Amino acid sequence: IAGITQAPTSQILAAGRRMTLRCTQDMRHNAMYWYRQDLGLGLRLIHYSNTAGTTGKGEVPDGYSVSRANTDDFPLTLASAVPSQTSVYFCASSPSPGTGELFFGEGSRLTVL
Amino acid sequence: QKEVEQNSGPLSVPEGAIASLNCTYSDRGSQSFFWYRQYSGKSPELIMFIYSNGDKEDGRFTAQLNKASQYVSLLIRDSQPSDSATYLCALWSGAGSYQLTFGKGTKLSVIP
Repeated sequence: IAGITQAPTSQILAAGRRMTLRCTQDMRHNAMYWYRQDLGLGLRLIHYSNTAGTTGKGEVPDGYSVSRANTDDFPLTLASAVPSQTSVYFCASSPSPGTGELFFGEGSRLTVL
Repeated sequence: QKEVEQNSGPLSVPEGAIASLNCTYSDRGSQSFFWYRQYSGKSPELIMFIYSNGDKEDGRFTAQLNKASQYVSLLIRDSQPSDSATYLCALWSGAGSYQLTFGKGTKLSVIP
């Protein structure tokens, strides 16, 4: 079934540890995004990529990095996790950049202690 | 700073009634507007988008856009318990913008 796969589904992490959230899509979409969703704050864009080889910063990029080596994969890395990064993380894609028609993965729930 | 405002709810309507969800925005340059539905514990899914002033209908859903008043709404006719979810309003500002700005969502509860 075509779509977006995120891993892990859930993770508990000690503060200071490095963590990579994986995201893979098989729809050949050009644009990919990482959002975090927090109660009372809604969905906020962390980083985006308009096409393979390019990335950009969203609203809340600090403490996160991304790479886009190919069309399908868009991993999100927390270099040194902090408790404020406890959140639900959603990866999304769209056929082309600059549209609002996003397809979301199932999310990764991350708890940083 | 682009802002998208939604009443957090919960909005409770009886089954079969019309649910009206509203959204206002601050950026007059916003060009495209989207409604996403998010069931509890699930990811958002796109249900409607609207680009032009007026109404756009899709089944039981109608999106309404008034750019002069800077609001967009979603009407759900013949509401069903399966419509119970959080509805997220989002906007895209147009060329040169790669960020879809989301509201915080309105929680809808359809009472059988």
